[in-house]
Amino acid sequence: GQQLNQSPQSMFIQEGEDVSMNCTSSSIFNTWLWYKQDPGEGPVLLIALYKAGELTSNGRLTAQFGITRKDSFLNISASIPSDVGIYFCAGQLFKAAGNKLTFGGGTRVLVKP
Amino acid sequence: NAGVTQTPKFQVLKTGQSMTLQCAQDMNHNSMYWYRQDPGMGLRLIYYSASEGTTDKGEVPNGYNVSRLNKREFSLRLESAAPSQTSVYFCASSRTGGYGYTFGSGTRLTVV
Repeated sequence: GQQLNQSPQSMFIQEGEDVSMNCTSSSIFNTWLWYKQDPGEGPVLLIALYKAGELTSNGRLTAQFGITRKDSFLNISASIPSDVGIYFCAGQLFKAAGNKLTFGGGTRVLVKP
Repeated sequence: NAGVTQTPKFQVLKTGQSMTLQCAQDMNHNSMYWYRQDPGMGLRLIYYSASEGTTDKGEVPNGYNVSRLNKREFSLRLESAAPSQTSVYFCASSRTGGYGYTFGSGTRLTVV
């Protein structure tokens, strides 16, 4: 099946820093989604992208749907402690059976000690 | 605005015991899903139900069964639990056409 490669696997942030993570696929997707998971909770949708080349912001978060439709990135500007968590990318094919999503392995964001 | 509700939140089973994880959504979504999350493995799809009355296998269905009881409820059953099924289980739902999933808060299952 499709595989989504998400990088980096983990990163440390310092308050005020900008950080970015990306997701690549060997297959084309029609929709890209970014989720955040806080400890002990389920993932929550942050941003959804529906068109190749689309750049969408949600507060300090910006995500882009790659032109090739095989990649996406997420930027967090001016990071704050509550940005800590696991970020997942997910891709969806057009008219996927059961609206199935394929998830990346996640990027764990931690605070620099 | 409950969204997706999962019960129980925590469970410890002995090897060979059976149990059912419950999931209910109140958003009138057609599709529902069960995922497991293991360290370093991300989210893996166990089973899904595209609509009421249908269920299909996902990536890792072995050892599990599901029931789409009605439009609101989708349960996951472990008939004979094994230590390899120790994981965090998430239920999710979505409306037809996608637009992303709404997840429950998870069930942390330990099989000893």
